[in-house]
Amino acid sequence: GQNIDQPTEMTATEGAIVQINCTYQTSGFNGLFWYQQHAGEAPTFLSYNVLDGLEEKGRFSSFLSRSKGYSYLLLKELQMKDSASYLCAVLDSNYQLIWGAGTKLIIKP
Amino acid sequence: DAMVIQNPRYQVTQFGKPVTLSCSQTLNHNVMYWYQQKSSQAPKLLFHYYDKDFNNEADTPDNFQSRRPNTSFCFLDIRSPGLGDAAMYLCATSSARGPNEQFFGPGTRLTVL
Repeated sequence: GQNIDQPTEMTATEGAIVQINCTYQTSGFNGLFWYQQHAGEAPTFLSYNVLDGLEEKGRFSSFLSRSKGYSYLLLKELQMKDSASYLCAVLDSNYQLIWGAGTKLIIKP
Repeated sequence: DAMVIQNPRYQVTQFGKPVTLSCSQTLNHNVMYWYQQKSSQAPKLLFHYYDKDFNNEADTPDNFQSRRPNTSFCFLDIRSPGLGDAAMYLCATSSARGPNEQFFGPGTRLTVL
């Protein structure tokens, strides 16, 4: 079966750095997406990785290791507005998005 | 601004009473998706259209139907809503199948009484 694992919930302090991990087992791999979802709202795109390595985009970076079936999302200089769920999703060999259940990130002052 | 629009944002229906949710897009994307998302769960793909080519997920209940009369519009019909169908329904679009970002509408939160 296809599976995406990420922690259910994480807590971090405003101004700090947090790393959200995602491991996956899917039928094929055509890239990995990270989405941000605030409570009661739709997901919004953060990043896409298809090659190994780190992609940096402002305060957010995403890393991929295809051989390990592993990705992480790194958030720096945390702000209160970063409190949200972060969803990892993998595009499988049929170009279907397989979604993780999301990691709820709580930012404390 | 190009966008994905869903109406209504909040829908209340009674057990067994048919309901239709709508989605429109100004992005001129070929692919449109309907997802169901329950609290603290991953979005669950119900179906998607590639142009007029309809693709139903194997585990999507027959109670759920969809129509795409043209490129811009897509509808989700729930023929006899049950209490378990209460969820957020998300419409998304992408320019093509493949490694393309999906753009989501704001969602419709369905309550079944």
